[in-house]
Amino acid sequence: GEDVEQSLFLSVREGDSSVINCTYTDSSSTYLYWYKQEPGAGLQLLTYIFSNMDMKQDQRLTVLLNKKDKHLSLRIADTQTGDSAIYFCAEGEGSARQLTFGSGTQLTVLP
Amino acid sequence: GAGVSQSPSNKVTEKGKDVELRCDPISGHTALYWYRQSLGQGLEFLIYFQGNSAPDKSGLPSDRFSAERTGGSVSTLTIQRTQQEDSAVYLCASSPPARLTEAFFGQGTRLTVV
Repeated sequence: GEDVEQSLFLSVREGDSSVINCTYTDSSSTYLYWYKQEPGAGLQLLTYIFSNMDMKQDQRLTVLLNKKDKHLSLRIADTQTGDSAIYFCAEGEGSARQLTFGSGTQLTVLP
Repeated sequence: GAGVSQSPSNKVTEKGKDVELRCDPISGHTALYWYRQSLGQGLEFLIYFQGNSAPDKSGLPSDRFSAERTGGSVSTLTIQRTQQEDSAVYLCASSPPARLTEAFFGQGTRLTVV
């Protein structure tokens, strides 16, 4: 079956770059997503990338996709304490109905 | 409101009781989804509503779970005869008609069955 895997924890110093990695198994994935969940809040869609793209940049966020290796990463430049949250990777075929989520990576930003 | 609203935010119930969880999607969003997030797990799809089409119930874990969506807007997820393994955060999301790839999530209902 489909599977999405992420490491559980990542700690970085404020001002450094964070890189959160994700691997997935479904080769038919059309879209790959990054969601952010802050304590007590719902999931916030940060960005998504279509499977025929290698990279997408949006301000401090850079998404890299290696479709051959089924590897997705999210880079956050100049990480701030407000970036501390759980980041979920998800894959799907074009509708949120078919999303498969990873277990989330807890990002802790240290002062 | 501006976002997806869920109520209650927290619910503690005794094993064997029925519970109802409510979701108010963003106005104008035709698609509505329910997911379940268990401790340390990713999100598990439960059910999907799209307009007037028959809902996709393929993710419901047992016949104790049901959901309805009235008037194409508010949705209620009902769990009958709750069990301890039903304890989880139940998340609702909605998508606008032209952007089904983008799901906007509510803050969730944390259900604890004791």
